[in-house]
Parts: sequence; C-alpha cells; structure tokens
Amino acid sequence: AQSVTQLGSHVSVSEGALVLLRCNYSSSVPPYLFWYVQYPNQGLQLLLKYTSAATLVKGINGFEAEFKKSETSFHLTKPSAHMSDAAEYFCAVSDGGAGNMLTFGGGTRLMVKP
Amino acid sequence: NAGVTQTPKFQVLKTGQSMTLQCAQDMNHEYMSWYRQDPGMGLRLIHYSVGAGITDQGEVPNGYNVSRSTTEDFPLRLLSAAPSQTSVYFCASSYSRSGSPTDTQYFGPGTRLTVL
Repeated sequence: AQSVTQLGSHVSVSEGALVLLRCNYSSSVPPYLFWYVQYPNQGLQLLLKYTSAATLVKGINGFEAEFKKSETSFHLTKPSAHMSDAAEYFCAVSDGGAGNMLTFGGGTRLMVKP
Repeated sequence: NAGVTQTPKFQVLKTGQSMTLQCAQDMNHEYMSWYRQDPGMGLRLIHYSVGAGITDQGEVPNGYNVSRSTTEDFPLRLLSAAPSQTSVYFCASSYSRSGSPTDTQYFGPGTRLTVL
C-alpha cells in the first residue's frame, strides 16, 4: 500500500519569500511522484513529476522538487513566491501498477501575502 | 482540443435520486478515471478504465457505476444518491492503455455535487 502525507494544510508566505511545501510518502516499490496545483474552481494541473530519472525535478512556473529516498520525501520549493502562486497543492504517488492509480495527499493551501 | 470536459458543473440531488456525471475527452486517450475530492483528504480514485469496454474499481467504488462504450466518454452513475456522496468529482485521462505513471494525467474542471 502507498500513502502520502503533506505537512501543513495551510502555508502562508510573503511575496518574494521562499516557498517550501512538504511531502512524505510511503511505498513498497520505487515510487513515481507528482505535484499538482489546483487554482480556485479549476481542475488539477501537473506541476512536475519524478519517474526515476534525475532526483531534482524542475517543473512549470519556477517550481522544483527533490526526491530523497533516504528521507522518503519529495518537497516542493520555489525561490521567490508570487501572488499568482496562491493555490492548493497536492502531492501524489503511484507505484506504477495496473490502473496508474494516484494516491494523493490531503493538500496544502498556499497563501501569498503582499 | 477541448481537453477533458465534465458536465454538469454543479448539481443538487435529494437522497435516493439517481444521476449521471458526464466526462469526455478529445485527445484519443486510452486511460480515463474518476476521483472524488473531499476536504483534507485529497483526491481518491473511484473507478478507472484502460480502454473501451474495460473498467475496474479504485479505492472508493461503492455507490458508483461506470461503463466505457467509446474511447471518448466515461460517465459516472450514482444509482441512489446519499449525503456521503456530497463531494467534488474530477475526471482524468492519460494517453497509454497501460496507464503508465510516466504519462501525464489531464484533469477536467470538476462537478460539484450536493446530496440533501
């Protein structure tokens, strides 16, 4: 079985500050890991994904995440927050099994203060 | 391409009523799935399909039926709605029949369902 824990259901940062959203996973097999973003009243959009290539993954909108197997983590970062980054962010894991089932974390709502 | 479309956007049902949530994609994707989103729980997989005529259960399938008669459409049926089914429902699709995790899943805009 696989699971995802996102620490902090709400994170608030000032514009220009570092964004750090935490994600820890558990998986019995080498995982595939994803970050999705959801803007208000919209569907989910893929930010980035780790599929066993480089451990540092760069995504859209200046976000990146680092896969750390020893820590079972896949934290999302952005050096400088922008007001447009305010959204809900979901970390997800897949074990690559039949059905491509994604297991999602509970989500982290990012608020950006001017 | 319109991508993944869902109808309706909003729906209110009474307990015991039935309805079908529609999902369509125009990207010729083999893999389609339905998720429900509840506060603090992320998204949970209800049912998925790896191609026309093939469906399987996800994590929370009880109370829901699906069928896949065409590549484009993947409707979700609630036969007898219950208040516990109040949620936001998302349809998603990706390219390969095998549902490879390297394929990007594209999500629709969602249907917000309230069951009274």
